[in-house]
Order: sequence, then structure tokens, then C-alpha cells
Amino acid sequence: ETGVTQTPRHLVMGMTNKKSLKCEQHLGHNAMYWYKQSAKKPLELMFVYSLEERVENNSVPSRFSPECPNSSHLFLHLHTLQPEDSALYLCASSGRYNEQFFGPGTRLTVL
Amino acid sequence: GESVGLHLPTLSVQEGDNSIINCAYSNSASDYFIWYKQESGKGPQFIIDIRSNMDKRQGQRVTVLLNKTVKHLSLQIAATQPGDSAVYFCAERMNTGFQKLVFGTGTRLLVSP
Repeated sequence: ETGVTQTPRHLVMGMTNKKSLKCEQHLGHNAMYWYKQSAKKPLELMFVYSLEERVENNSVPSRFSPECPNSSHLFLHLHTLQPEDSALYLCASSGRYNEQFFGPGTRLTVL
Repeated sequence: GESVGLHLPTLSVQEGDNSIINCAYSNSASDYFIWYKQESGKGPQFIIDIRSNMDKRQGQRVTVLLNKTVKHLSLQIAATQPGDSAVYFCAERMNTGFQKLVFGTGTRLLVSP
């Protein structure tokens, strides 16, 4: 395992639920990322935070809301999701040269 | 637009053989490349990286080759082992604006004993 942890590892939620994904990095990095990984598709960048400020929002629907309270923690708040949002959600952090290190991911299923 | 693509979706090899996984990229402004390995149920694992001012870099049992003329990247795995079975994908960093990575779809490597 890398120095990036994610909880929960698995999450099943209904379309009306509100849940949050958590990511924590222990690598001393200054940038953190949320990615969506669906079957047979490349990794899709969702959000980027650098020094706790959001620098990229890759046209993600507002039902996904990120939060970065400090350089070690990143959250993804979920509400009123759709079944097509079911995927593996990966968190990553990066160092100086953007060598990104990933967490194990949260497998999300929306019923 | 920019894209990173892989020539083969699945590569099957025998244990002990050398494996070569290829990747084509289209952005000549990319200045940094990474290979990742992703095992089932796990997040992508950093394997090796290379900067655009290099054409070869070696790690433990792995070598990455970069051919900027034809925008081609390859990952060579020596003496492939069953534990190497996974999906491998490359990523390029475009040196424009915020330096985000663009990922390919991946090649599945199957190693038979």
C-alpha cells in the first residue's frame, strides 16, 4: 500500500442518500486529486487541489462536492447520485514533479 | 485532442518471458511520463517514470523507453512473473497550464505459469 488511504473501501447508497468519501495522504505532498474509474475507460480527473485551493474542476456535476480542509485530507461529498455514477473513486497525491500516488479507491454502487 | 492510447488491450506471456507493453501519445508538449500497474481491487501503483530529456530509464526488472520522434513509450518487464499479472497504463504530463496527467485505457498482462 502507498501512503494514501481511502475510506470507506466499499459504499452502496441510494439515489437520495448523502455520503462522503475520505482520503488521507501521509507523503507530505501539496496536491491532491479525485479521479473516477469506470470499466473500460481511462481514468477521469474530477478535481485537483493544490495547497488546499481547488485548481481544477473538470466539468463535474454539482452532486459531487469536494472539500480539502488541509494538505493531508481530501473529501468528496456525494448527494442525489445517479446509477451511472457507480464506479471506483480514486484519490491521489503528488509531489514536486506530479508523480501521482494513488490510494486503494472506494468502490461506489448507486442503487 | 490530446490522447494516450495503448496498442493492445491484452498481452499473454509465459512465466519467465520478457514482456513489452506499448503506449502511444499524441501531445508533443508532454514532458513527463509514468507507468502504473493496477491489480484487481487495488489502486494504480507507480512503477517507473521518465522525463522527456531521456530516452531510457531502468528500474528493478523494468525498463521504460521513450521515442519522442514517433511519440511512443514502452514498458519492458524482464523475467515476467505471475505476480506481474495486472493492468498496466501509461500517463503523460502535458506541460501546458496546470500540469495534470492524461491516462491511457490500459493493457491487461496475463502471465501463465
